[in-house]
Amino acid sequence: NAGVTQTPKFQVLKTGQSMTLQCAQDMNHNSMYWYRQDPGMGLRLIYYSASEGTTDKGEVPNGYNVSRLNKREFSLRLESAAPSQTSVYFCASRYRGPSANYGYTFGSGTRLTVV
Amino acid sequence: QKEVEQNSGPLSVPEGAIASLNCTYSDRGSQSFFWYRQYSGKSPELIMFIYSNGDKEDGRFTAQLNKASQYVSLLIRDSQPSDSATYLCAVWSPGNQFYFGTGTSLTVIP
Repeated sequence: NAGVTQTPKFQVLKTGQSMTLQCAQDMNHNSMYWYRQDPGMGLRLIYYSASEGTTDKGEVPNGYNVSRLNKREFSLRLESAAPSQTSVYFCASRYRGPSANYGYTFGSGTRLTVV
Repeated sequence: QKEVEQNSGPLSVPEGAIASLNCTYSDRGSQSFFWYRQYSGKSPELIMFIYSNGDKEDGRFTAQLNKASQYVSLLIRDSQPSDSATYLCAVWSPGNQFYFGTGTSLTVIP
């Protein structure tokens, strides 16, 4: 059982380049999330998908787009990378049921550097 | 005001001691509370959750919740060097939104 798989694990981009971060989960979770983590800032939500076919902005969506391709896959796209997007990106998924007591399962992260 | 606040630390305790990690939250409607452990360079992993006032124990870990004071804590008994990590508090509020604290760095000294 792989859980949440993110690719790539590391990436260096030049300013203005574009790229897509891939995320897939095999736990049949209905909700998926993209976070970035920066020193002293904690985890900040970029976008989320509460269920297949829906996406919503989080706290820091500017400069990003997402696609919920199917129930398993949720990708994050940087259209024109900027140095301010240098960060560690985590994908997470969660079963969204009537109870609130379901935590996230995180992927292993993508360490992105924009130069 | 941040939704979830934690003391960033670092918190240092000797091996075998009790480590106490604290978290306060601002939304009185918050319903579920989670503790994640994050080793350096790794992703967060869920270690505890609690949703009722009082204590919840799991091995060496005890989560404590006081909704009146909007306060949740994590106690680690018999701390081990392998417990050295950053501990993230997360709070779930209606609207299916999680809010994370910035984490407390814990070092257990052999």
